[in-house]
Amino acid sequence: NAGVIQTPRHKVTGKGQEATLWCEPISGHSAVFWYRQTIVQGLEFLTYFRNQAPIDDSGMPKERFSAQMPNQSHSTLKIQSTQPQDSAVYLCASSSLSYEQYFGPGTRLTVL
Amino acid sequence: QEKVQQSPESLIVPEGAMSSLNCTFSNSASQSIWWYQQHPGKGPEALISIFSNGNKKEGRLTVYLNRASLHVSLHIRDSQPSDSAVYLCAVNYNQGKLIFGQGTKLSIKP
Repeated sequence: NAGVIQTPRHKVTGKGQEATLWCEPISGHSAVFWYRQTIVQGLEFLTYFRNQAPIDDSGMPKERFSAQMPNQSHSTLKIQSTQPQDSAVYLCASSSLSYEQYFGPGTRLTVL
Repeated sequence: QEKVQQSPESLIVPEGAMSSLNCTFSNSASQSIWWYQQHPGKGPEALISIFSNGNKKEGRLTVYLNRASLHVSLHIRDSQPSDSAVYLCAVNYNQGKLIFGQGTKLSIKP
């Protein structure tokens, strides 16, 4: 079991560029979650999918951020027109019916 | 907006002693409370969870939940240097999102 896979591990973008982050959940898990972690704000919920359907996006910034889950094997988080305040570690987690969330190693996004 | 607060922010404990971490939450309707451990550069890893009032023991870990006082605590018996990490308290609502506290940085001194 490879665990949750996130790519890339590190991404550097210029201000105003687009960033796409990828997550491959653990095989057989029905839910995928996205979180963001910074020193100041801590670990914050962004959005989640269950059986590929969007369930709760209450943590997503209303502009520039979007998430998709086109199939059960991967999810993407896209940030348009990145800003320095978007710099953070973006964490993906997956869970089965046990509700324990298994986290990936994260993608560190740096916006210059 | 649900809130989770952890104390202390940091804790230094001698090897072999008991480590005690605290967490308060704002909504008694939470489904379950989780404790996660996070090492630098890694994602959080679940240690133990509790749903019902009372305590739960797993190995060197014991967690106590009091829903009336909105308080949960984690105790690590016989603390080891390998236990040094950030510990995150998380509250789960409706089997969905986790709301995390800011974390407690635990350092075990040999």
